Amino acid sequence: GQNIDQPTEMTATEGAIVQINCTYQTSGFNGLFWYQQHAGEAPTFLSYNVLDGLEEKGRFSSFLSRSKGYSYLLLKELQMKDSASYLCAVRGGGGNKLTFGTGTQLKVEL
Amino acid sequence: KAGVTQTPRYLIKTRGQQVTLSCSPISGHRSVSWYQQTPGQGLQFLFEYFSETQRNKGNFPGRFSGRQFSNSRSEMNVSTLELGDSALYLCASSPSLGHREKLFFGSGTQLSVL
Repeated sequence: GQNIDQPTEMTATEGAIVQINCTYQTSGFNGLFWYQQHAGEAPTFLSYNVLDGLEEKGRFSSFLSRSKGYSYLLLKELQMKDSASYLCAVRGGGGNKLTFGTGTQLKVEL
Repeated sequence: KAGVTQTPRYLIKTRGQQVTLSCSPISGHRSVSWYQQTPGQGLQFLFEYFSETQRNKGNFPGRFSGRQFSNSRSEMNVSTLELGDSALYLCASSPSLGHREKLFFGSGTQLSVL
């Protein structure tokens, strides 16, 4: 099976930088996704990593180390609207399923 | 292009009843996945369909079933409802089953079992 761990909650200040970590264990790794979910809304895609390294997309960056089973999502210049749950998801294992972590609830404060 | 549409948005049932939830994927998308979301467990994978065939199944009891039609629309059914089935049920679609394919989620059906 697959196991994904990420912190339950984080708090950061508007304008700051925050890093949300995700560790995973899986067989047959085929990629790692990050999704954002605002309260009461559907998850929306943020990033995809399949090779080691950093993928940058505007204020958001995602890093992957396959050998360490580790990823992080970096959010820069935090805004109040970034308050949301951030979901780490790994594709792999039997059937190549997309398995989600329980999410990290980020609160951005003034 | 219209997004993923799930109906109904809210549903209240009692224990022992059954329920059917519907999902219309984005036009042209042939893969549909279903997830159960609860505050404590996060998103739990239920099933994945492609071209009317179930490709993957999660670790849920046989009371949970689904199907996909030739137009890619999908339904999931839960029989003999239990209190623990209360959750947000999310449907997601993608063009195909490729590794890189990102999922597009619907707004979900909030099921309450009394």
